[in-house]
Amino acid sequence: ETGVTQTPRHLVMGMTNKKSLKCEQHLGHNAMYWYKQSAKKPLELMFVYNFKEQTENNSVPSRFSPECPNSSHLFLHLHTLQPEDSALYLCASSQDRNRPYEQYFGPGTRLTVT
Amino acid sequence: AQSVSQHNHHVILSEAASLELGCNYSYGGTVNLFWYVQYPGQHLQLLLKYFSGDPLVKGIKGFEAEFIKSKFSFNLRKPSVQWSDTAEYFCAVNAVNNDMRFGAGTRLTVKP
Repeated sequence: ETGVTQTPRHLVMGMTNKKSLKCEQHLGHNAMYWYKQSAKKPLELMFVYNFKEQTENNSVPSRFSPECPNSSHLFLHLHTLQPEDSALYLCASSQDRNRPYEQYFGPGTRLTVT
Repeated sequence: AQSVSQHNHHVILSEAASLELGCNYSYGGTVNLFWYVQYPGQHLQLLLKYFSGDPLVKGIKGFEAEFIKSKFSFNLRKPSVQWSDTAEYFCAVNAVNNDMRFGAGTRLTVKP
């Protein structure tokens, strides 16, 4: 256990569905991240929140919408996804985005879009 | 832009063999370097990290990595692998005030 939990662990959704992924960290960290992990590709950083403020959006399509209500919780809202969005979505946290840090990862949500 | 290259996609070794996984990055400034491991069905976890000081870094489970600034490299090594080291290994780099960039990963299979 890393202190970062994600739910659900597996999700199958149709292209017209709306769903949300949840991440919670119990480490007292101030920065949280969403990554997309696809086979044989580097982890893709999607969104970064530092002290609840979004600081990075790496050209992610608008069908992915993040929300960070407080420094312990992070959501990724999904709607009208495409089959190529099927991947493992990882949440991570770190003490502070702006200083040397290591990131702590959750177990991921395996998303399949049908 | 920063990038991280891991040239070995899949490495297969027998138990007790020595391991070296390559990692190169493309950034000329000050960097922090990491190796993460992902065991089958488990989350990514930190193996070791380099921020400054001795370029030879020791991590958990007998792993070590050497930072060679002139070669922009941070290769991971282990003198004798075990079956339980079967996993995917990710190199990551972040420059000061930049976000972390990961390599594509190297899958290690250790045969008993």
